[in-house]
Amino acid sequence: DIVMTQSPDSLAVSLGERATINCKSSQNLLYSPNNRNYLAWYQQKPGQPPKLLLYWASTRESGVPDRFSGSGSGTDFTLTISSLQAEDVAVYYCQQYYTHLSTFGGGTKVEIK
Amino acid sequence: QVQLVQSGSELKQPGASVKISCKASGYTFTSYAITWVRQAPGQGLEWMGWINTNTGSPRYAPGFTGRFAFSFDTSVRTAYLQISGLRAEDTGIYFCARDVDAVTRGIANYFDYWGQGTLVTVSS
Repeated sequence: DIVMTQSPDSLAVSLGERATINCKSSQNLLYSPNNRNYLAWYQQKPGQPPKLLLYWASTRESGVPDRFSGSGSGTDFTLTISSLQAEDVAVYYCQQYYTHLSTFGGGTKVEIK
Repeated sequence: QVQLVQSGSELKQPGASVKISCKASGYTFTSYAITWVRQAPGQGLEWMGWINTNTGSPRYAPGFTGRFAFSFDTSVRTAYLQISGLRAEDTGIYFCARDVDAVTRGIANYFDYWGQGTLVTVSS
């Protein structure tokens, strides 16, 4: 199985500042024939289901603010919130869908400093 | 609009069974697979597996074989998760979600719409 490791477990960022979340895969998620990374990012606020933010590592889901961006390739990926807003307080998860057994990272909790 | 509406909370005794429903609307039910995700109290997300709503074929993640069963009824556009022989460690919130392309691709993808979650509590 592919293991997804997120870091840090939690971070506190001031309003308007940048938040960066890392996700490392134990195996390559880049499929060379189509040059796509099989990685998604989700946001989960307390008491709510997860919400899809990004897929193919960097493609924003419709309606997601452009302060959310994804980067990386292969085994190392990053979710960046360019200017943290109060409504971004949540836990963020990465998910790989490269193999037939999908797996999530452990989550990163983002709070306001 | 696309919606997945799950059944309400359940309180069960150890050894009992539970069947959770996930009713879909706003899209062609058989064109998208349904995936199931568990979240233990205060913990992260665990992918349980998915069911192909076109062929009926289920796929279970390790750790979710044997006591867990995915099914669906196309006539009422509803997917089901049944858990038998409930244990305390099955306590958690169970989410259904729509997989964007599993029916075509044959394996799990990312999940664009989610149900609100169903809390299952196993306690004597």
